[in-house]
Amino acid sequence: GAVVSQHPSWVICKSGTSVKIECRSLDFQATTMFWYRQFPKQSLMLMATSNEGSKATYEQGVEKDKFLINHASLTLSTLTVTSAHPEDSSFYICSALDRQETQYFGPGTRLLVL
Amino acid sequence: AQSVTQLGSHVSVSEGALVLLRCNYSSSVPPYLFWYVQYPNQGLQLLLKYTSAATLVKGINGFEAEFKKSETSFHLTKPSAHMSDAAEYFCAVRKAGTALIFGKGTTLSVSS
Repeated sequence: GAVVSQHPSWVICKSGTSVKIECRSLDFQATTMFWYRQFPKQSLMLMATSNEGSKATYEQGVEKDKFLINHASLTLSTLTVTSAHPEDSSFYICSALDRQETQYFGPGTRLLVL
Repeated sequence: AQSVTQLGSHVSVSEGALVLLRCNYSSSVPPYLFWYVQYPNQGLQLLLKYTSAATLVKGINGFEAEFKKSETSFHLTKPSAHMSDAAEYFCAVRKAGTALIFGKGTTLSVSS
């Protein structure tokens, strides 16, 4: 099946620093990728839709200047959490869409901001 | 607008017993429906999907789900639970475009 990777799998950073998370589709090309956020014991909340070669589309309430998304190639999308604060601590999961429009999810990145 | 409701945040079964996880949907258009499983500290794995073909959908690991339009339901079942089935299960509907809207999730516990 299709494989999506994320890097890093976990990261700890100081408040005020920026953190970049990579999402890669390893064996297929994805013109569309999605970024989700998951709080403990809760469901996934869609943050934004990342389209290769164009600007990301953000969901209502998600600050686009804080969560920068870049989809520079058909296999890579990045999410940068700028000036991270403790409330940004969460589990971030990406997914990539294949040609059959099925979403395949990455393993997630756990971010802890101190 | 599309949405899904998962009935029961926690389901407990004995090993070998029937697994039934409930999901009801709301959609103004014919829905595409999905079940995903999540193990602790991992991403989501697709179990099965309904895309307007056969109403009984078979997935991986012995799971299946039946789309019932009259009941707006897409319940997930497995005849015989294994200990390895213990995980979080999410029902999802595809919103306009291709993004997914997830239910709140159901934690499945399996006891020996």
